[in-house]
Amino acid sequence: DAEITQSPRHKITETGRQVTLACHQTWNHNNMFWYRQDLGHGLRLIHYSYGVHDTNKGEVSDGYSVSRSNTEDLPLTLESAASSQTSVYFCASSESSGRANEQFFGPGTRLTVL
Amino acid sequence: QQQVKQSPQSLIVQKGGISIINCAYENTAFDYFPWYQQFPGKGPALLIAIRPDVSEKKEGRFTISFNKSAKQFSLHIMDSQPGDSATYFCAASSGNTGKLIFGQGTTLQVKP
Repeated sequence: DAEITQSPRHKITETGRQVTLACHQTWNHNNMFWYRQDLGHGLRLIHYSYGVHDTNKGEVSDGYSVSRSNTEDLPLTLESAASSQTSVYFCASSESSGRANEQFFGPGTRLTVL
Repeated sequence: QQQVKQSPQSLIVQKGGISIINCAYENTAFDYFPWYQQFPGKGPALLIAIRPDVSEKKEGRFTISFNKSAKQFSLHIMDSQPGDSATYFCAASSGNTGKLIFGQGTTLQVKP
């Protein structure tokens, strides 16, 4: 069955370290998205991609970067982790043919920055 | 700026009752309004969605009511069950962009 996976599921890091969160989908979806979930804020869009080599900034992109070298993966990098980036991160994917808004979410990565 | 406001923050309903969660939006360009359901430790899952050309959409026990003039939409869960206990998020999007704007979420507890 097609799925979307995230790794690691839990990560503890220190302020200033670089961290990369992985997202892998086997739906063969062109669109991929990264969100962070914080209490009282719902989910907020960090970055998104409509295809290989395409990346775009979302609502809360400062301090994060992504790159898309193939269809299946969209890793999220925190260049220099800050305590404000402690959150639960979700990756999602969707088709591009008129169904971009119907997104399938991964299980999430809980990141703690100490 | 929160473009989609969701209420209540939490909700407790007895088994068999009706759960109602409300959302209000500001951007009149929004044309897709989904609801997502999230269980603890899991990612959100699309539950039901509506477009502004209809005022209501029903799927099983779940119904979206949409009021375009008031810029509001709501999720009704009929005959609520303990298995419906989860966090529910409304969202909105403009065009086929995939750029969803989420509400703050509502934690629903259905008591047996």
